[in-house]
This record gives sequence, structure tokens and C-alpha cells, in this order.
Amino acid sequence: SQELEQSPQSLIVQEGKNLTINCTSSKTLYGLYWYKQKYGEGLIFLMMLQKGGEEKSHEKITAKLDEKKQQSSLHITASQPSHAGIYLCGADPDPIGGATNKLIFGTGTLLAVQP
Amino acid sequence: KAGVTQTPRYLIKTRGQQVTLSCSPISGHRSVSWYQQTPGQGLQFLFEYFSETQRNKGNFPGRFSGRQFSNSRSEMNVSTLELGDSALYLCASSLDVRGLYGYTFGSGTRLTV
Repeated sequence: SQELEQSPQSLIVQEGKNLTINCTSSKTLYGLYWYKQKYGEGLIFLMMLQKGGEEKSHEKITAKLDEKKQQSSLHITASQPSHAGIYLCGADPDPIGGATNKLIFGTGTLLAVQP
Repeated sequence: KAGVTQTPRYLIKTRGQQVTLSCSPISGHRSVSWYQQTPGQGLQFLFEYFSETQRNKGNFPGRFSGRQFSNSRSEMNVSTLELGDSALYLCASSLDVRGLYGYTFGSGTRLTV
């Protein structure tokens, strides 16, 4: 079965610094989702990547899916306290085998931004 | 447009009781999936419904069940609650059968047993 590993598990950065979170899959990724979660709350959709080499940006957050489609990175530029939270990557484990809306998730990366 | 609505936000139950959680998807979304989130296991898929049919089920005991109504609203039920069922339960809705347009999550129901 497919597994997603995120690194680092946690990260503390000074406000204004850049940071990168990685998501590595044990199998080819056909749809990779990035979500942000405030503790105890729901998931906020950030970005979805589907094609190898694809890169998307929204405000100060950029996500990439590598050419081999087994790793994605999330990069935050000039971090702010509002970026603090848990970042989760999710993927569809069986996009070809059947029509099913099921995601597996990475273990998450806890980001703290110090003012 | 309204997001995914989950009710109640918080629940406190006693071991052995049963509980029903509700999820109203975004208008027009026909797929609803449920997840359990715990500190130890992270986010795990429970089941998914599309057009009132359960299409996929995760690795959870039969005490966990669900259903979807004709208006796409979904409920999940947990019977004979155990302490380990304490978790944040999240539901997600999507427009199509393949999630090609992404998934929108609700704010969750925090269940404490």
C-alpha cells in the first residue's frame, strides 16, 4: 500500500525566513494535495498537483511535484505567524483502479513561526 | 457559497454509548468521505459515499457505519463507543467521483469518550 512520508516532522522558523516541507511517496503520485490545519480544526485546501514537473503558487506558498511524481515540496517565502499550523500532504492511492474518493495522508509537519 | 458543515462540533460520550455525526456537503457535491484523526494514527480514511452508495471503506471495525441521503447529506454512526474512538472526525465533499476538482473539508466533530 502507498505511504506518504513528510519531513521535517516539525519546524520552528523566525518570521521572514523561507522554509520547505517535503512529501515523499512510496509509489507514483497521480494527484497530490496540500492542506493546512490549525490544531483541532478542519483542513484548509492549499493546492493540488497532478502533472510531473507541475508547480503552483498562491500568495507566498509554492508547491511542486517532481518529474518522477514521487515527491512534492511546499515552499513558503518570507514566513509570517499566520503560516503557523500543520501542513498535510494527501494522495489518491488508487486513481486508476477504480473511481473512488479516498485520500491517504502524510503524518504532517508542524510549523511554528516566531515573531 | 456555504462550505462543508459538520455537526455537532463537540461531543462527550461515555464508553458503550453510541453516537451519530452529521455532514452536509457543499451544494452540488455528491461525494462525501469521512476521516478519523488521532495523534497516534494521523488522518485515516473511514468510508466514502456517492449517490447514497458506499463505494469504499477503510480498515475500521463494523461499529463504524454511515449512510448518505438523497440530498447528499451524510451521517456516520459509532456504536458501543470505546476510549480509543476519541478523535477528530472530519468529512470531505467533492464534486465528482474522482476528486479531480479537489476535496473540501469541514471543521470536524471532536468526539471525547
